[in-house]
Amino acid sequence: DADVTQTPRNRITKTGKRIMLECSQTKGHDRMYWYRQDPGLGLQLIYYSFDVKDINKGEISDGYSVSRQAQAKFSLSLESAIPNQTALYFCATSDSERERNEQFFGPGTRLTVL
Amino acid sequence: QKEVEQDPGPLSVPEGAIVSLNCTYSNSAFQYFMWYRQYSRKGPELLMYTYSSGNKEDGRFTAQVDKSSKYISLFIRDSQPSDSATYLCAMTGTASKLTFGTGTRLQVTL
Repeated sequence: DADVTQTPRNRITKTGKRIMLECSQTKGHDRMYWYRQDPGLGLQLIYYSFDVKDINKGEISDGYSVSRQAQAKFSLSLESAIPNQTALYFCATSDSERERNEQFFGPGTRLTVL
Repeated sequence: QKEVEQDPGPLSVPEGAIVSLNCTYSNSAFQYFMWYRQYSRKGPELLMYTYSSGNKEDGRFTAQVDKSSKYISLFIRDSQPSDSATYLCAMTGTASKLTFGTGTRLQVTL
């Protein structure tokens, strides 16, 4: 099955460490997204990429950076992790050919910053 | 004010009940309306979508959109314990980013 995968699934780290979360997809979609989810706040868009050479900031990009290594790979980095970046992180993909732009999500990475 | 408002719940209903989940929105440019279901510790999965106003039915699920009131609903008939999850509404204009509600947590009890 065409899928969206995320690694790692769980990560505990310390304040100040650099962390990379990785996302891969076999759906053949050109658009990829990173979200964080906090209780009561829903999904907040961090960065999105409409193709390999197109990277855009979302609502909450401060403290994060991304890299689109290939159409199928989109990674999220926390340069210097802080405790309020503790959250559930999701990668998603969509196909620009579909006007309704429905997104397909990976299983998530639970990140804890101590 | 958020573009999309959704009551966070939790909503607790007995098995077999009809469930109504709702969102309101403010952006009249939204044309596509979706419902995602998210089980605990999982990613959201697309449940249904509708275009513009009207109803769409899929098994026990019915999605309804009233663009004049900027109000969308998801009805679940004969609710089952396996329907216990968080339901997120999402909407978009033409081929642009999705805007999500915060999600409503539903618990269906035996």
